[in-house]
Amino acid sequence: QKEVEQDPGPLSVPEGAIVSLNCTYSNSAFQYFMWYRQYSRKGPELLMYTYSSGNKEDGRFTAQVDKSSKYISLFIRDSQPSDSATYLCAMSATTAGGTSYGKLTFGQGTILTVHP
Amino acid sequence: DVKVTQSSRYLVKRTGEKVFLECVQDMDHENMFWYRQDPGLGLRLIYFSYDVKMKEKGDIPEGYSVSREKKERFSLILESASTNQTSMYLCASSLGSFAGVYNEQFFGPGTRLTVL
Repeated sequence: QKEVEQDPGPLSVPEGAIVSLNCTYSNSAFQYFMWYRQYSRKGPELLMYTYSSGNKEDGRFTAQVDKSSKYISLFIRDSQPSDSATYLCAMSATTAGGTSYGKLTFGQGTILTVHP
Repeated sequence: DVKVTQSSRYLVKRTGEKVFLECVQDMDHENMFWYRQDPGLGLRLIYFSYDVKMKEKGDIPEGYSVSREKKERFSLILESASTNQTSMYLCASSLGSFAGVYNEQFFGPGTRLTVL
């Protein structure tokens, strides 16, 4: 069993839809949760970062973490064609100050297409 | 502006060749990472380095080695390339060890390596 599981999709939605992306994990030591976005032929870029449980909102994007269920989500409201990308969840047990030097464990990535 | 560059976008090599992938960052980051990205498997960590001449194995180090002679440069070496090393290779860097502070990983654009 992988430490982090993410449905690879692909996911295709119409413009304006609400998108829900999810990851589950098995390592209860994970405390730092991230979502990266990767456009075609580019490297991933950090989109959202959350520490421990709770919600975080940034514009049309909301990240949720439920540590009791070992489940994280990313919601995209009013999705746009420019949101079409691969979305990767990533997790870390420690900060860069820990012995793992901020090592991240990634999910498989979900390919999202938003069509006009 | 933060920048991680990789020496080649596309590379084609033959089985048994020695392959060098170069990564340079201009942000004075202590930590550097090499990942490979494959469909359905996400990003998997090959090696990382937390200081000059220091390195640690990641999750899939077999068949690879690394070199970090200067802080800004981190090289991935395939000693004898094999077809199962055909993949997208991504380099990343992050700030050093500040306890309690998450440090974002910044990624290069990737090198698409094909081994024939």
